[in-house]
Amino acid sequence: DTAVSQTPKYLVTQMGNDKSIKCEQNLGHDTMYWYKQDSKKFLKIMFSYNNKELIINETVPNRFSPKSPDKAHLNLHINSLELGDSAVYFCASSQTGQGPYEQYFGPGTRLTVT
Amino acid sequence: GQNIDQPTEMTATEGAIVQINCTYQTSGFNGLFWYQQHAGEAPTFLSYNVLDGLEEKGRFSSFLSRSKGYSYLLLKELQMKDSASYLCAVYNTDKLIFGTGTRLQVFP
Repeated sequence: DTAVSQTPKYLVTQMGNDKSIKCEQNLGHDTMYWYKQDSKKFLKIMFSYNNKELIINETVPNRFSPKSPDKAHLNLHINSLELGDSAVYFCASSQTGQGPYEQYFGPGTRLTVT
Repeated sequence: GQNIDQPTEMTATEGAIVQINCTYQTSGFNGLFWYQQHAGEAPTFLSYNVLDGLEEKGRFSSFLSRSKGYSYLLLKELQMKDSASYLCAVYNTDKLIFGTGTRLQVFP
């Protein structure tokens, strides 16, 4: 009965590799998000999708490409990984409409680039 | 620009009351959220304010003054499990802008 799930939970990889993180929500929400939390615990929005349509793209390098196959899934693909990409990546979802609405976060994916 | 400020760290004693302040200067404002994040876990929603005033939810209350760009989270009857980071976030049009978070340590 997990609300927002992400896989994998941990990801260790080398510079230059390409990796993907998957996110799924079973809350029936229309909007999904990707956040990056750096080593100083600062949580920053990267992307949001509403019903498979990109709504927010916060000046993230184009090595990061989100993909939403349907409104319950939002994946994040990262090309040519760099040391600075090491962080915890959180997926979140929320209702849409006359908000604001609380966002429900997934457990996070800790990415370590060596 | 977007600026959301919170104290970096606070300490308190079990059973006490603690107030975590948040000041913000953002280009837009549609509401203010408070999230709790335990180490190594996801942020979880605590409360939000859209209008000025106090919102109470059990041991947690949140206050907002839009004219002053100010909010606080009040935690009463502190418990050890309240040791966590508390994140203030402004909802601006269609996204949450988070502050740097306040790490609260509760001591017995």
